[in-house]
Amino acid sequence: TQLLEQSPQFLSIQEGENLTVYCNSSSVFSSLQWYRQEPGEGPVLLVTVVTGGEVKKLKRLTFQFGDARKDSSLHITAAQPGDTGLYLCAGPYMKTSYDKVIFGPGTSLSVIP
Amino acid sequence: NAGVTQTPKFQVLKTGQSMTLQCAQDMNHEYMSWYRQDPGMGLRLIHYSVGAGITDQGEVPNGYNVSRSTTEDFPLRLLSAAPSQTSVYFCASSLTGGADSPLHFGNGTRLTVT
Repeated sequence: TQLLEQSPQFLSIQEGENLTVYCNSSSVFSSLQWYRQEPGEGPVLLVTVVTGGEVKKLKRLTFQFGDARKDSSLHITAAQPGDTGLYLCAGPYMKTSYDKVIFGPGTSLSVIP
Repeated sequence: NAGVTQTPKFQVLKTGQSMTLQCAQDMNHEYMSWYRQDPGMGLRLIHYSVGAGITDQGEVPNGYNVSRSTTEDFPLRLLSAAPSQTSVYFCASSLTGGADSPLHFGNGTRLTVT
């Protein structure tokens, strides 16, 4: 059983389409992070959200932290082939400890030109 | 500008063999950690360290040992490799391990145990 669940597991879309991927938990997280991983490389941090209801934008990517801090979403507008990769959400394992950062299983996104 | 360096990139072991996966960072980060990545499972935390001389277990520590004698290095030891340890291993570091301290990952070691 994983503390962080992500959906969908796989997503294949055409260039220019919009999409949303989700990260959910039954537990409250003090913060959540989103990473993107490309084949053969390690994950790279995109954003950290720390406040319930927070919305952060990174160019065409919009991240939202749920009001109850149990879920987060990543919305991509007008997807491009360069957005292809594995999107991972992550958070501290315990509410007050940042030492153990755990990850969800990821959403594998493929953007077709 | 090396960041986090992992060696080797690929390794094949036979069941029962031992080996050490190396990880070094040149960013003076206090926090270092090891993850394994398996299809559909995401990244699972094996061991982590919040500073030299301090280590602790993560989600899946069995079969792995670590030590942290210096700030820069955090090797992962497999004492007796098993096929279940076939995976891609990632080392990561961050300045403090806090929520505002992003993890920096190496490019991974792909390990196959036959």
